[in-house]
Amino acid sequence: DSGVTQTPKHLITATGQRVTLRCSPRSGDLSVYWYQQSLDQGLQFLIQYYNGEERAKGNILERFSAQQFPDLHSELNLSSLELGDSALYFCASSVSSGGTYGYTFGSGTRLTVV
Amino acid sequence: TQLLEQSPQFLSIQEGENLTVYCNSSSVFSSLQWYRQEPGEGPVLLVTVVTGGEVKKLKRLTFQFGDARKDSSLHITAAQPGDTGLYLCAGMNYGGSQGNLIFGKGTKLSVKP
Repeated sequence: DSGVTQTPKHLITATGQRVTLRCSPRSGDLSVYWYQQSLDQGLQFLIQYYNGEERAKGNILERFSAQQFPDLHSELNLSSLELGDSALYFCASSVSSGGTYGYTFGSGTRLTVV
Repeated sequence: TQLLEQSPQFLSIQEGENLTVYCNSSSVFSSLQWYRQEPGEGPVLLVTVVTGGEVKKLKRLTFQFGDARKDSSLHITAAQPGDTGLYLCAGMNYGGSQGNLIFGKGTKLSVKP
């Protein structure tokens, strides 16, 4: 157990639907990062939050959004889902905003869009 | 856009063999991290290297950061089936829209008994 909790572990949904992925960071970590992992693209950075504020943004689609709540848990919202959104979605956390000492990853949410 | 190229993409070896995997970029990174990922799990941090030329050892694993801080290598001595997994290198990029850690696509290692 890494200390980063992601729910749900698996999610199957239809095209056009909206889903919410949840992440609780490791105790004491203020930064949360979201990554998408697919077979051909590898781990792609989506977005980072630090202590409730958006800190950095990657190639996140406009259909995707995220937020970090006062208790530091984060949610990634994916809407108007397409088949190509099927992937593993990972949340990671770190103590600092820079992640100098490394990220701690959760076990991921496997999203399948049918 | 900063990219990290890892090679080889796939590696299948017998238990007891030695191997080296590489991580290369045209960009300079302030530090570089190596992770190992097993199926169905998230990546787990193995090591962080910060100084150009730095060498770190973790049991049978030896990590080296290039002098120019653009490349890194991971050497495994006497590989064991438990070393099987996806090895990812990640470069630390301060600031910018790409976020802090840029990941390579990984080397998928299979060690057969």
